[in-house]
Amino acid sequence: GENVEQHPSTLSVQEGDSAVIKCTYSDSASNYFPWYKQELGKGPQLIIDIRSNVGEKKDQRIAVTLNKTAKHFSLHITETQPEDSAVYFCAASNTSGTYKYIFGTGTRLKVLA
Amino acid sequence: NAGVTQTPKFRILKIGQSMTLQCTQDMNHNYMYWYRQDPGMGLKLIYYSVGAGITDKGEVPNGYNVSRSTTEDFPLRLELAAPSQTSVYFCASRGGHPTNEKLFFGSGTQLSVL
Repeated sequence: GENVEQHPSTLSVQEGDSAVIKCTYSDSASNYFPWYKQELGKGPQLIIDIRSNVGEKKDQRIAVTLNKTAKHFSLHITETQPEDSAVYFCAASNTSGTYKYIFGTGTRLKVLA
Repeated sequence: NAGVTQTPKFRILKIGQSMTLQCTQDMNHNYMYWYRQDPGMGLKLIYYSVGAGITDKGEVPNGYNVSRSTTEDFPLRLELAAPSQTSVYFCASRGGHPTNEKLFFGSGTQLSVL
């Protein structure tokens, strides 16, 4: 079945360093790849997304890259701050199909001050 | 807009009891989803709906039922609660246009079955 693998499961970085989280998807029909941030006790919130016709997208300190051939996409956070500490989820969806979103297993990011 | 509202926030059930998790959205979204989140397992899709009167199974539907009588509401029913249903449940919604893919999540319901 459809699957999204996410690595690493935990990541600790020093404040100011960069963090990279990677995902691999299995369904070649997937065309939309969002990233969600979940803070303790809250629901996930969208932080950035990318469609399959784009290779890279940036929004201030965060960026997402997509390699359709390899079915890989990654989240990059630069100049990390303590408030970036949270659980991050990637997801893949085929928005012209059933509109289901398959999520990765999450990455717990800790930014050490 | 309140967005996606879930109630209750916390609940403890005894094995075999039943309950309904409520979800309502005020964004006139066609698509609604129920996910469960287990530690280290990410979000698993239980059921989803593409509009009022239409529901479909996700990855882990066993032990649950849903209904969608209105655009706003998408309740999740547990008929005979089991310890395996201890989890955090999230409801989500999105608009119907193909380019309007952003999912909006509620704040979750933490359920323990003892």
